[in-house]
Amino acid sequence: NAGVMQNPRHLVRRRGQEARLRCSPMKGHSHVYWYRQLPEEGLKFMVYLQKENIIDESGMPKERFSAEFPKEGPSILRIQQVVRGDSAAYFCASSRQSGANVLTFGAGSRLTVL
Amino acid sequence: AQSVTQLGSHVSVSEGALVLLRCNYSSSVPPYLFWYVQYPNQGLQLLLKYTSAATLVKGINGFEAEFKKSETSFHLTKPSAHMSDAAEYFCAVSDSGGGADGLTFGKGTHLIIQP
Repeated sequence: NAGVMQNPRHLVRRRGQEARLRCSPMKGHSHVYWYRQLPEEGLKFMVYLQKENIIDESGMPKERFSAEFPKEGPSILRIQQVVRGDSAAYFCASSRQSGANVLTFGAGSRLTVL
Repeated sequence: AQSVTQLGSHVSVSEGALVLLRCNYSSSVPPYLFWYVQYPNQGLQLLLKYTSAATLVKGINGFEAEFKKSETSFHLTKPSAHMSDAAEYFCAVSDSGGGADGLTFGKGTHLIIQP
């Protein structure tokens, strides 16, 4: 059981470029959550998805950020036209059922915007 | 709305000494409470969780936490610190097991172990 797999682990982008972060949930898990961790901060909820559906995106910035979890393949967090303030660690978590009490986290993707 | 406050962004203890990391929460409904540990450049690992069963919860690596409703607290303790315990610790709350908004995290406490 490979756990929650995130890639890339480290990503460097220049301002204005696009960043794509991928998350493959644990086998058998169909619920995916994305969190962002800014320096010196705790994790902030961004979005909760199930296969082909966005369930809750209340934590997503209104512009430039989008997420998907297609029927086949990993969940993708996409950030368009990145700015320096997007530099953070982005964590994905998955669960077999809905609810926060069974989340398994990935190792995170660290985005640096130059 | 729910929130978590972790007192002390940095806690330093000597190896072998008691570890106490403080967490207070607010929640409009009976909460689910969690402690996670994050080692450098790694993801979060679940240490323990409270889900309305026993108020004293035992976790991995010798850690435990006690849910005190009257104090709205869920402090994390370990009787004897080990060098390998040095890490970032996060307290988190969820107001329902079926909640769609996942977990609300505190800002974290960096635990330093002095030799």
